[in-house]
Amino acid sequence: EVQLLESGGGLVQPGGSLRLSCAASGFMFSRYSMIWVRQAPGKGLEWVSEISGSDGTTYYGTTFYADSVKGRLTISRDDSKNTLYLQMSSLRAEDTAVYYCAKAINWRSPRPDSWGQGTLVTVSS
Amino acid sequence: QSALTQPASVSGSPGQSITISCTGTSSDVGAFNYVSWFRQYPGKAPQVVIYDINNRPSGISNRFSGSKSGNTASLTISGLQADDEADYYCSSYTSSDTEVFGTGTKVTVL
Repeated sequence: EVQLLESGGGLVQPGGSLRLSCAASGFMFSRYSMIWVRQAPGKGLEWVSEISGSDGTTYYGTTFYADSVKGRLTISRDDSKNTLYLQMSSLRAEDTAVYYCAKAINWRSPRPDSWGQGTLVTVSS
Repeated sequence: QSALTQPASVSGSPGQSITISCTGTSSDVGAFNYVSWFRQYPGKAPQVVIYDINNRPSGISNRFSGSKSGNTASLTISGLQADDEADYYCSSYTSSDTEVFGTGTKVTVL
């Protein structure tokens, strides 16, 4: 069974930084793209970022970002720890949201398949 | 990338069928057969109910079906039940090699 457990959320001041983690289990982590999706309070879903995995022969680790977060959020992964990260910097009030970690459908796809329960990030002074 | 357009709310009585539309552009919905639909209960994570226009993951009722025409995709829920009451979001692969979600639709069972 796929399990994704996010952590690292909390209250941060505008302009501050935060790192989210997502511990994965129940599937071959390295063989799947991993994704972050966020949802502001009472609002809809927003696709944030993707990092590709390995096709079984070659590891790619290619990253993709929504325009709204380019240059401020950085996605990364540690396949030895089955963990996905999102480094967040220069945070703004509009970054306040529940951040979901999601497994993609294959090694290179931005489409989420299985989702974690999310971690709340609040940007406020 | 602008969000795909969905109606804010759709309602129906138990047993009826409802359809939710999802309108994009020729750079997303219209260009690819990679539209998904997600159901989200309050306070819970989303769950995929349809992928690639009209495919259901295992465990999802056959009361859920999808279709696409041009730049608009649709989700139909037939035989509406109380536990279908939730928020529904569409998503599509885009020409920018990313994903875009719809604005979301609240389904109410009367």
